[in-house]
Amino acid sequence: QVHLVQSGAEVRKPGASVKVSCEASGYSFTTYYLHWVRQAPGQGLEWMGIINPNSGSTAYAQRLQGRVTISRDTSTNTVYMEMSSLRSEDTAVYYCARGYSSDDAFDIWGQGTMVTVSS
Amino acid sequence: EIVLTQSPATLSLSPGERATLSCRASQWVSASYLGWYLQKPGQAPRLLIYGAFSRATGIPDRFSGGKSGTDFTLTISRLEPEDSAVYYCQQYGNLYTFGQGTKLEIK
Repeated sequence: QVHLVQSGAEVRKPGASVKVSCEASGYSFTTYYLHWVRQAPGQGLEWMGIINPNSGSTAYAQRLQGRVTISRDTSTNTVYMEMSSLRSEDTAVYYCARGYSSDDAFDIWGQGTMVTVSS
Repeated sequence: EIVLTQSPATLSLSPGERATLSCRASQWVSASYLGWYLQKPGQAPRLLIYGAFSRATGIPDRFSGGKSGTDFTLTISRLEPEDSAVYYCQQYGNLYTFGQGTKLEIK
């Protein structure tokens, strides 16, 4: 079975950084692109960025450019999302999601990771 | 950035009725790159429809995607209580954007 399993909830102070992981299983890791999507409490879905696990190439939402870094470790089939200079507005559930190509729907999602930014 | 506007914001219907949800794009979106997702409270979104018309794996045929003029539609026939959720449309042809969601309540 195909699974994306994310790391656990995090609490950070404003100005700090956080790194969330997403471990893939049940399929060929380098065959599918992986996205990060976040959802603030009671709000909608916001796309953050994408990585090609085969090449490592990335692209980011313009409004988050410079604060978000997506990386991967092909030895552990894991993708990471690191966000720096955290603000209270970054409090959200962060999801990883899979797409067969860069212009494909997101067919499998991780369970989500709650990141709380609070002083 | 392509903006997707969903309507209505909230829809309240009874079991057995049919729901029609709409998604309008601020600029042209190819049907090949339009999807619909369902999200229940405390859960991750789940893909329902891709390419505007195709059902994802395991999705019953009560769910169907369509296009009417410039609007994309999601129709859910023979509503069941478990269809209560928030439904999002998404375009993935020009980066990626989601609509703001339609909350479907089954009375």
